[in-house]
Amino acid sequence: DAKTTQPPSMDCAEGRAANLPCNHSTISGNEYVYWYRQIHSQGPQYIIHGLKNNETNEMASLIITEDRKSSTLILPHATLRDTAVYYCIVSEGANSKLTFGKGITLSVRP
Amino acid sequence: NAGVMQNPRHLVRRRGQEARLRCSPMKGHSHVYWYRQLPEEGLKFMVYLQKENIIDESGMPKERFSAEFPKEGPSILRIQQVVRGDSAAYFCASSPDGSGGYTFGSGTRLTVV
Repeated sequence: DAKTTQPPSMDCAEGRAANLPCNHSTISGNEYVYWYRQIHSQGPQYIIHGLKNNETNEMASLIITEDRKSSTLILPHATLRDTAVYYCIVSEGANSKLTFGKGITLSVRP
Repeated sequence: NAGVMQNPRHLVRRRGQEARLRCSPMKGHSHVYWYRQLPEEGLKFMVYLQKENIIDESGMPKERFSAEFPKEGPSILRIQQVVRGDSAAYFCASSPDGSGGYTFGSGTRLTVV
């Protein structure tokens, strides 16, 4: 079973920041937080991951609370092409499988 | 650098036939994962392989399904005697070191008629 909880859906306006929340209250000290997305029926796409510190790459930023029990994925300027299901996953990383939950469906409106 | 290559993209099999799904990981990646996505459902882990070894097959159905990742060539997911319930999208992913930053392929859509 997935160890994360995400709202089922949210929407945001094109050009605005999309802030996607995730709860992982039972995360253990050696587990990372990963974010993936799946656009329509395509293969999932890796977005970002982190352990304790906030992370940023060309796609998004990941903000992890100090107690590590929740995190937020930020898409700074959402476009229509960002409409997808976003999955928040916790995993030990090396040699570990990823367990996908239901994810959150982000709809970006014009 | 080519991504994870899966073929065929679409596969139609009659009930009772065998299905072979192939996955070529990214260059330099020696860790391969297979996931299944049933219609309107989430992604379910099936099996994790390294070259010539099955590391975790906890998600594989006990019967009819097998996977391999030989020293040379692609990883193969084999489904024997397919049934309608096997109709799904099968995704393969690879990573260079077993960490969770996988690269997924585009999937094989299996339809059993």
